Amino acid sequence: EDQVTQSPEALRLQEGESSSLNCSYTVSGLRGLFWYRQDPGKGPEFLFTLYSAGEEKEKERLKATLTKKESFLHITAPKPEDSATYLCAVRGTGFQKLVFGTGTRLLVSP
Amino acid sequence: GAGVSQSPSNKVTEKGKDVELRCDPISGHTALYWYRQRLGQGLEFLIYFQGNSAPDKSGLPSDRFSAERTGESVSTLTIQRTQQEDSAVYLCASSLSALGKEQFFGPGTRLTVL
Repeated sequence: EDQVTQSPEALRLQEGESSSLNCSYTVSGLRGLFWYRQDPGKGPEFLFTLYSAGEEKEKERLKATLTKKESFLHITAPKPEDSATYLCAVRGTGFQKLVFGTGTRLLVSP
Repeated sequence: GAGVSQSPSNKVTEKGKDVELRCDPISGHTALYWYRQRLGQGLEFLIYFQGNSAPDKSGLPSDRFSAERTGESVSTLTIQRTQQEDSAVYLCASSLSALGKEQFFGPGTRLTVL
């Protein structure tokens, strides 16, 4: 069964304190690993898609990386506006749905 | 351009009543998905539509749940005889095609069953 586990569940950082969020996955035939950001009361906002081990993508202070078993979302010098829940999801071979992890709640304090 | 829209944004209902939730996908997106997000849990797939193909209903939790989509436009998710465990945020997403890379989500409908 396809599965996604995210850690930590919650992370508190000071502004400027870099860190990484982890997404471990098991899937039969990865057809994409997705990162989303979700603010309270809103739907998930797409950030990145990664398809193969070794791939990296960057957007502002965020950088996503992928191995055969996990993905990391690196946050460099975060700001309070980066506070949100970050969701990881995978799509495997033979199905269109995304399988989501439970997310990491990030709080960045000024 | 306009994103995915959902209505209502909030719905409070009594146990046993039926509810209908609506989703307007991004124009031109042929694939449409419904997910459920319970408090403190990950998004749970419910149903997927792609063009005129038969929908993938494999995630619907019981026969009280059903969904329709007309062509490549609006979709409605219907929950009959609501139960308290149906309380959740119901999220709709659309993508450009069945092989579309990203799914773009609406703001969700928060359903509370009293």
